[in-house]
Amino acid sequence: NAGVTQTPKFQVLKTGQSMTLQCAQDMNHEYMSWYRQDPGMGLRLIHYSVGAGITDQGEVPNGYNVSRSTTEDFPLRLLSAAPSQTSVYFCASRLIGEAGNTIYFGEGSWLTVV
Amino acid sequence: KQEVTQIPAALSVPEGENLVLNCSFTDSAIYNLQWFRQDPGKGLTSLLLIQSSQREQTSGRLNASLDKSSGRSTLYIAASQPGDSATYLCAVRGNDMRFGAGTRLTVKP
Repeated sequence: NAGVTQTPKFQVLKTGQSMTLQCAQDMNHEYMSWYRQDPGMGLRLIHYSVGAGITDQGEVPNGYNVSRSTTEDFPLRLLSAAPSQTSVYFCASRLIGEAGNTIYFGEGSWLTVV
Repeated sequence: KQEVTQIPAALSVPEGENLVLNCSFTDSAIYNLQWFRQDPGKGLTSLLLIQSSQREQTSGRLNASLDKSSGRSTLYIAASQPGDSATYLCAVRGNDMRFGAGTRLTVKP
């Protein structure tokens, strides 16, 4: 098992550029999510999905789009990058249903928007 | 809206000391609470998960407790080692998952 794999690990964008952060998991988890982590703050939920074809907004969804065409993949798209989107992004996945299901995180993607 | 607070924000202790990290949350309607470890430049590694029906979980030198009624959890680390140096985050899972800002722990040799 590779677990949760995120690419790229580092990226520098210019304001207004678009890009996609990739996330894949091989654990057959129904639930996948994207978080951003900023200094001095906890992780904040951007978008999540409970299965293929189903996505929903989290706490800070503005400026980001997601789709879930397969169980394994959950890409995060920045359509027009802004300096406020400079952050570390984490993808996570878990099984749904049981309260005892652990959530697994990718290694993170460091994004700088200049 | 669930709010999760971790105190202290940073902690420095000598090797061998027993220590307690604190986590508080405002909404007791949770499924579980999880403690994570994060090393610099890395993702989060789950340490312990306590379901809402449980009071505590133990793994090696780590013990986590949960008091849902008071909205508190503690992570107890026994006989701390320099390798324990990391940021420790707690997260509560309700309708979504909310994280505290973390406690940065430094264990000095």
